[in-house]
Amino acid sequence: DVQMTQSPYNLAASPGESVSINCKASKSISKYLAWYQQKPGNANKLLIYDGSTLHSGIPSRFGGSRSGTDFTLTIKSLEPEDFGLYYCQQHNEYPFTFGSGTKLEIK
Amino acid sequence: QVTLKESGPGILQPSQTLSLTCTLSGFSLRTYGMGVGWIRQPSGKVLEWLANIYWDDDSAYNPSLKSRLSISMDTSNNQAFLQITNVDTADTATYYCARMNRQLGYHFDDWGQGVMVTVSS
Repeated sequence: DVQMTQSPYNLAASPGESVSINCKASKSISKYLAWYQQKPGNANKLLIYDGSTLHSGIPSRFGGSRSGTDFTLTIKSLEPEDFGLYYCQQHNEYPFTFGSGTKLEIK
Repeated sequence: QVTLKESGPGILQPSQTLSLTCTLSGFSLRTYGMGVGWIRQPSGKVLEWLANIYWDDDSAYNPSLKSRLSISMDTSNNQAFLQITNVDTADTATYYCARMNRQLGYHFDDWGQGVMVTVSS
C-alpha cells in the first residue's frame, strides 16, 4: 500500500495569513493526489485533485503543488471558514490511502 | 444537486453482519464512469478506504478487509450497499459513502454526512 505521510499534525494561524500542509507518498503516485476539508456537521469537501486541479466551486485561495512524491496544499489569505481538518488522499492506485490529517486552528 | 445519504443499524454486536445503504440523488449510478465508494473513520483516527463499485458493476476492495466486504448496488433505486461480515469493536467508526467518476479520476467529488456505527456487546 502507498503510505501517505502528512504534516504538520496541528497548525495555528490567523485570518489573512497563508499556510501550507504537506503530504509525502511512500512511492510514486504520479500527480494523483487529492485534498479534502473536513468540518463537523458538514460533508467532506473535495478541494483539489490531480495534485493541483481546483475542484469546481473551490475558491482560488486554495492551491496545490507537487515535487516528485511531495505534495503541498497552500491556503492564501485564510478566511474564518477555512479552519478545520485537512486530509490528503492518493488516487493513483488501489487501495486508496489517506494522510493522517492536519488540524488547522485559529490562532 | 448531488447528495448522498448513508444509513445503517447504529449499533450491533460482535460477529454480526453490518449492512449499510447509501441513497443517491442528483446523479445516476447508471451514468458512464460513475462510481460510489465507502470510506470509514474511527473516532479521531485516519480515513480508511473500503470499497468502490462502478456503473458497469465493476468493483474494487481494500485487500486488508476484502474477505469480509461485499459491495453492491441497485440502479433502479439509485442506491449502493456495503456489507461487512463478522464485525468486532475495531469496526466501530463513522462510515461514509462518496461519489466519483472513474473517467475523470479516482478522487471523491461528493460525500455523504456519514453514519456512526458502534460494535459493542
